[in-house]
Amino acid sequence: AAGVIQSPRHLIKEKRETATLKCYPIPRHDTVYWYQQGPGQDPQFLISFYEKMQSDKGSIPDRFSAQQFSDYHSELNMSSLELGDSALYFCASSRFGDTQYFGPGTRLTVL
Amino acid sequence: AQSVAQPEDQVNVAEGNPLTVKCTYSVSGNPYLFWYVQYPNRGLQFLLKYITGDNLVKGSYGFEAEFNKSQTSFHLKKPSALVSDSALYFCAVRGEGTGRRALTFGSGTRLQVQP
Repeated sequence: AAGVIQSPRHLIKEKRETATLKCYPIPRHDTVYWYQQGPGQDPQFLISFYEKMQSDKGSIPDRFSAQQFSDYHSELNMSSLELGDSALYFCASSRFGDTQYFGPGTRLTVL
Repeated sequence: AQSVAQPEDQVNVAEGNPLTVKCTYSVSGNPYLFWYVQYPNRGLQFLLKYITGDNLVKGSYGFEAEFNKSQTSFHLKKPSALVSDSALYFCAVRGEGTGRRALTFGSGTRLQVQP
């Protein structure tokens, strides 16, 4: 079965640079969620989109923005990167608000 | 606000023995409860969920979980542990009527199965 696809899988950036993470949900899933997992921590919800509209917002910094496109893929844009942004970023998708299925994650390292 | 507690940072069990990973929750209304497993450098894999119905939920890889409303618990169980079950396990909750909203995760429990 098709799964959630995230790219890139690994990303290394310098402080103050920008980064763009991409997420391709499972086909026919209508909702995309973004989570951040710091080292040794549980995943923290950032933001979600339903049918290309923002659905819910968590602890997403103002430096981050996200959107969902007409083909349902989503991008998380991160600017003015800080050392503390180093984390695993997960995308998840669901259909009709049911079970969230997670992608493999993007590991972002900020130097 | 909703929250999840996983009181054990690590659970150690011998292969072939039964395992239990504990989870308690707090949420307004009826809870939607989930268990996910995370292997090193991998994403979160869905194991099972409780929405309504039978208090004993069966999931993937022989895992099951027991919902106890009076104790607000949703413990993960498996009758016979395998070495390959060694991983990080997360319990998560979502409130009723919040279908497209975030999951709140517990802090995770590392399961170590010794051969």
